[in-house]
Amino acid sequence: ETGVTQTPRHLVMGMTNKKSLKCEQHLGHNAMYWYKQSAKKPLELMFVYNFKEQTENNSVPSRFSPECPNSSHLFLHLHTLQPEDSALYLCASSRTGDGRSNQPQHFGDGTRLSIL
Amino acid sequence: TQLLEQSPQFLSIQEGENLTVYCNSSSVFSSLQWYRQEPGEGPVLLVTVVTGGEVKKLKRLTFQFGDARKDSSLHITAAQPGDTGLYLCAGAWRGAQKLVFGQGTRLTINP
Repeated sequence: ETGVTQTPRHLVMGMTNKKSLKCEQHLGHNAMYWYKQSAKKPLELMFVYNFKEQTENNSVPSRFSPECPNSSHLFLHLHTLQPEDSALYLCASSRTGDGRSNQPQHFGDGTRLSIL
Repeated sequence: TQLLEQSPQFLSIQEGENLTVYCNSSSVFSSLQWYRQEPGEGPVLLVTVVTGGEVKKLKRLTFQFGDARKDSSLHITAAQPGDTGLYLCAGAWRGAQKLVFGQGTRLTINP
């Protein structure tokens, strides 16, 4: 059983659709992350939130819009996506994002996104 | 250019054999983590190594951090089908919030 839950597990959408990915953590952590995992590429960090504040945006296109209403929830709003955005989107959390980055990150099982 | 290079990228061996996978970088890390990811799931942390030369054992898995803290290895003894998965290394720098991941080694253990 994972302490980080992502929904939906699978999503197929057209390039003109708007959808949102949801992540919830039940671990009492204060830092949350969005990653993109594509075939044959390393896991790519997209966004970092620490105590609800965005502390990292890794040059992500504006068609991806994150939202962190509280330390337990993280959303990724999607609009006007491109076929190359098809990938597994992983959410993770850690106890704190205060720079002690040797803390373990706990991952959800991801949302498999396909753009038609 | 990737900051962390993992090798080999793919490895398929028979049950009972031993294997070693590598994680190399030109950067010095404050710590390095190893994760295993199974199909349809997110990565799960196996171990964190912090000190240069450190060796950690997790049952049949042995992890080593290089003396210069630029590289690491994972050795599996008597591999089992349950060891099948994608093994990811991730490096961290002191004061930085983010981990940098390698591209992974996809390991298949055949019965």
